[in-house]
Amino acid sequence: GESVGLHLPTLSVQEGDNSIINCAYSNSASDYFIWYKQESGKGPQFIIDIRSNMDKRQGQRVTVLLNKTVKHLSLQIAATQPGDSAVYFCAENMGGAGDKIIFGKGTRLHILP
Amino acid sequence: KAGVTQTPRYLIKTRGQQVTLSCSPISGHRSVSWYQQTPGQGLQFLFEYFSETQRNKGNFPGRFSGRQFSNSRSEMNVSTLELGDSALYLCASRSALDSSYEQYFGPGTRLTVT
Repeated sequence: GESVGLHLPTLSVQEGDNSIINCAYSNSASDYFIWYKQESGKGPQFIIDIRSNMDKRQGQRVTVLLNKTVKHLSLQIAATQPGDSAVYFCAENMGGAGDKIIFGKGTRLHILP
Repeated sequence: KAGVTQTPRYLIKTRGQQVTLSCSPISGHRSVSWYQQTPGQGLQFLFEYFSETQRNKGNFPGRFSGRQFSNSRSEMNVSTLELGDSALYLCASRSALDSSYEQYFGPGTRLTVT
């Protein structure tokens, strides 16, 4: 039968502006959270992670915020560039001692010239 | 150093057949995870191996299995293929011996079941 594609939310941002991508997670016991970027035809690429005992972590041009009270994660990208166009996934580890990375549905980031 | 490699890159199989996909992690990485990516379901976790042991498993039927060898290379097998198994199968590796949780993904194997 015909497969129905995921309707990915799309965020359109002007080049040079900041982007904020939001994500809700499901498991209060997840011990760390990760953001990935996936460009067309490629596997996901790690951007940044944050442990559950932190509420903010910064990387190069990116910041992740974790709000455990409302189970919310966000990724901020500063000075968005054309190369930032991709699908962004948040993910949580439910694996305890090992890895059991559960991905969210993804957000497509579209950069406007 | 070389990235994660997956073979084959593309595969076409018929319903009822079985298939084996291979993943070579980054040298020194001991954890290998497998994922299925489809337009309808997104990225779904299949299983994770560490030191030849399966540590975690996702919600897939028993037709999906895997293993890891002593050199950390991993294979996954899907038996009695169904049309719905058509997907991009991704593997990812990480060191698992340091504090970083950074996973490195391979390019995937595109499986088409007809």
